[in-house]
Amino acid sequence: NAGVTQTPKFQVLKTGQSMTLQCAQDMNHEYMSWYRQDPGMGLRLIHYSVGAGITDQGEVPNGYNVSRSTTEDFPLRLLSAAPSQTSVYFCASQKGGRDTQYFGPGTRLTVL
Amino acid sequence: AQSVTQLGSHVSVSEGALVLLRCNYSSSVPPYLFWYVQYPNQGLQLLLKYTSAATLVKGINGFEAEFKKSETSFHLTKPSAHMSDAAEYFCAVSEGGATNKLIFGTGTLLAVQP
Repeated sequence: NAGVTQTPKFQVLKTGQSMTLQCAQDMNHEYMSWYRQDPGMGLRLIHYSVGAGITDQGEVPNGYNVSRSTTEDFPLRLLSAAPSQTSVYFCASQKGGRDTQYFGPGTRLTVL
Repeated sequence: AQSVTQLGSHVSVSEGALVLLRCNYSSSVPPYLFWYVQYPNQGLQLLLKYTSAATLVKGINGFEAEFKKSETSFHLTKPSAHMSDAAEYFCAVSEGGATNKLIFGTGTLLAVQP
């Protein structure tokens, strides 16, 4: 049982490049979320999903796309990277409702 | 809308001293409240959560938190700090409803001095 896994751990992009951050969970959780963590700002919700085929926007969705074709996977796509997207990105999953969220180890992204 | 305020972005204590990390929340519905810990270069790990049962919640590693509705607070305490407690601590409130969107505070970095 690996829990929540994220790849890559580190990534450097140039402005305008696109990429996908991968997130997978093996706990059969319905709910999955993407957060970004910036110094002094805590974690902010980017997008979330309450089940396969269902996604919705969080607090800071601009510049990011998500899809949820399977229960296990919830990739986050950066369409055209900008320096403002330099951050640490965390994926989380939970069984449902108000259950505990389990976090992945994070992806540290730098956009030059 | 729900919100969380953590007073003190940096807290420093001596080893063996009391740890007190403050969290105040705003919520229009009975809240679910959480404390998470983040060790350097790691993800977040749940310390404890309040779900409207007992107001004093015990978590892992000797931490506990007390829900005080009248003060809208959920402060985290530990009687005796250990060097391994050095980490960043986040308080969060659940929006509730059909989803469990978490609203996080800005975090408190705890340093433990020998």
